[in-house]
Amino acid sequence: LAKTTQPISMDSYEGQEVNITCSHNNIATNDYITWYQQFPSQGPRFIIQGYKTKVTNEVASLFIPADRKSSTLSLPRVSLSDTAVYYCLVGDSLAGNNRKLIWGLGTSLAVNP
Amino acid sequence: DAGVIQSPRHEVTEMGQEVTLRCKPISGHDYLFWYRQTMMRGLELLIYFNNNVPIDDSGMPEDRFSAKMPNASFSTLKIQPSEPRDSAVYFCASSLYRDSYNEQFFGPGTRLTVL
Repeated sequence: LAKTTQPISMDSYEGQEVNITCSHNNIATNDYITWYQQFPSQGPRFIIQGYKTKVTNEVASLFIPADRKSSTLSLPRVSLSDTAVYYCLVGDSLAGNNRKLIWGLGTSLAVNP
Repeated sequence: DAGVIQSPRHEVTEMGQEVTLRCKPISGHDYLFWYRQTMMRGLELLIYFNNNVPIDDSGMPEDRFSAKMPNASFSTLKIQPSEPRDSAVYFCASSLYRDSYNEQFFGPGTRLTVL
């Protein structure tokens, strides 16, 4: 069964680049790796998703090595508003085309002035 | 679209009472997910549906919890009887299967307090 591991918390300062890594073994070979952001009193919000190599959007980049046993969410030049909890989400195989969804426990990022 | 709609937003009840949480997914989405979130246990996936059919309910804590999806636009999560340890925020989310259904859209949540 797939399992995820990510740091419980991280600290950073405004303007710095932040990299959060999630380790995940035994994920489904054809499933995506997804990251979410959650602010207090809100539901998680999709940030970025990738299958392998590197994906970039207007918010973040996602780096996935060839073995897909980990992924790194990169937030460029963070601001105070990036203070949130960040979750990785991967899939394990169930019967047919369905997946068992495995969420990480979340990394609480604190951005300081 | 209004997004995922959940009701009620807050629920306070007494131990032993039945609680029903409701969710309306985004129109056209074919996956629906129920989550529970607490400080102690974090975000837990309880159950998810594909085209109204339950796919994985291994996260449902015990027989007191049940979830139904009678049609594509409505789902309920019921707790009977409720216990103080069920106090949590319950989220509903929906997604559309394209290459992956991992892009889930979450509702605002229902904050449940069981006294």
